[in-house]
Order: sequence, then C-alpha cells, then structure tokens
Amino acid sequence: AQSVTQPDIHITVSEGASLELRCNYSYGATPYLFWYVQSPGQGLQLLLKYFSGDTLVQGIKGFEAEFKRSQSSFNLRKPSVHWSDAAEYFCAVGSSGGSYIPTFGRGTSLIVHP
Amino acid sequence: DVKVTQSSRYLVKRTGEKVFLECVQDMDHENMFWYRQDPGLGLRLIYFSYDVKMKEKGDIPEGYSVSREKKERFSLILESASTNQTSMYLCASRGTSYEQYFGPGTRLTVT
Repeated sequence: AQSVTQPDIHITVSEGASLELRCNYSYGATPYLFWYVQSPGQGLQLLLKYFSGDTLVQGIKGFEAEFKRSQSSFNLRKPSVHWSDAAEYFCAVGSSGGSYIPTFGRGTSLIVHP
Repeated sequence: DVKVTQSSRYLVKRTGEKVFLECVQDMDHENMFWYRQDPGLGLRLIYFSYDVKMKEKGDIPEGYSVSREKKERFSLILESASTNQTSMYLCASRGTSYEQYFGPGTRLTVT
C-alpha cells in the first residue's frame, strides 16, 4: 500500500529565508506525486505535480520540488519565503495500483516570522 | 478555472440528526471525492465516485453514505450525526490529469 510521510509537523522560517518541506513516500513503482497548499479556512490548492520526465518540477507561487527515486522523496522548496506563504502544506502520492486515488500526508504547518 | 462549491461553510447539528453536505463541480469531471480533515491526521478519504450512481468506499466510510444522481453533484450523508463526526469536510473533483480540485470545505460541529 502507498503511504506518505511528512516528518515535520511545524516549520518556522523568517521572511526572505529559504524553505524546504520534506516528503517521503512508500511505493514500489513510479508514483504520481503532488504538493497542495491550504490557507487558513480554505480548501486545498495544487502547487505542483510530478508524473514523469524531468525530476525537478516547477509550480505556482515560486515553488519547486525534486523527485529523488533513490531516496523516495519529493521535497518542496522555495528560495525566498513571503509572509503570505504561511499555510498548511500537504504532500500526496497516487499510483496505478491504487487507481490513482491519492494518499495524503498529515501536513506541515508553515509559520513565517517577519 | 475549475470551480468546486460546497453548500455550507459552517454547519451546527445536533446528535442524531440526518445531515446532508452538498458538493457541485462545474468541469464535467467524472471523479469526485469526500474527505474529512482533522488536526494531525491530514485528509482521510470517506467515499469517492467514478461516475453517476457509482460509489466506492474510502478509508473511513463508517457512519457515512453518499449519493451521486447527477455528474456535477456529489452528496455526503450522515445518517445519524454523532459528536465524533465533528470535523472539516472537503469535497474534490478530478479530471483526466489526476490532480484534484477542492472546495472550500464545510466545518461541521455536532453537539
């Protein structure tokens, strides 16, 4: 069965600092990987996705993520964080074995200090 | 842009009441989903639907049922609401590219 681990429950960064949110997945074949963001009181919005091809994926709002098969990771990065990036971030994995129904991680809450 | 709407942002119900949560999407997507979101637990899948009148149980279907009579509408039903069903409920639809589009959520409180 597929699973997703987001090891960090909370991350605190200063505005302007770089950011990396970790995501590890468990699945044998090449998975479909997603990062979503949830602002307070809102639904989830897709930041980026990886299906195949280039392992460095660019998303919206200046985010990028890198798929590393050897580490079973799909970490989300941003070079300079803005106060408006404060939100909950979810990593998700889908696979053909699971009819592409994604499994979500428990989320990482990003706090941005001015 | 894909739009997914949910009938209520906030809902307060009493224990034992029958509760309907409605979700509508405007992109002709075949797949629709209901999740509940609880702090520290992330999103857990309750039910999903591949097409009209078709439904599949997710990871936590107990105490819930669903209805999909029209392609654009997917309803979640709590037959007899209980306090442990107090949660945020999120609806999503999915197109052919496998990414999901979420509604704003319904925060349900059962007292």
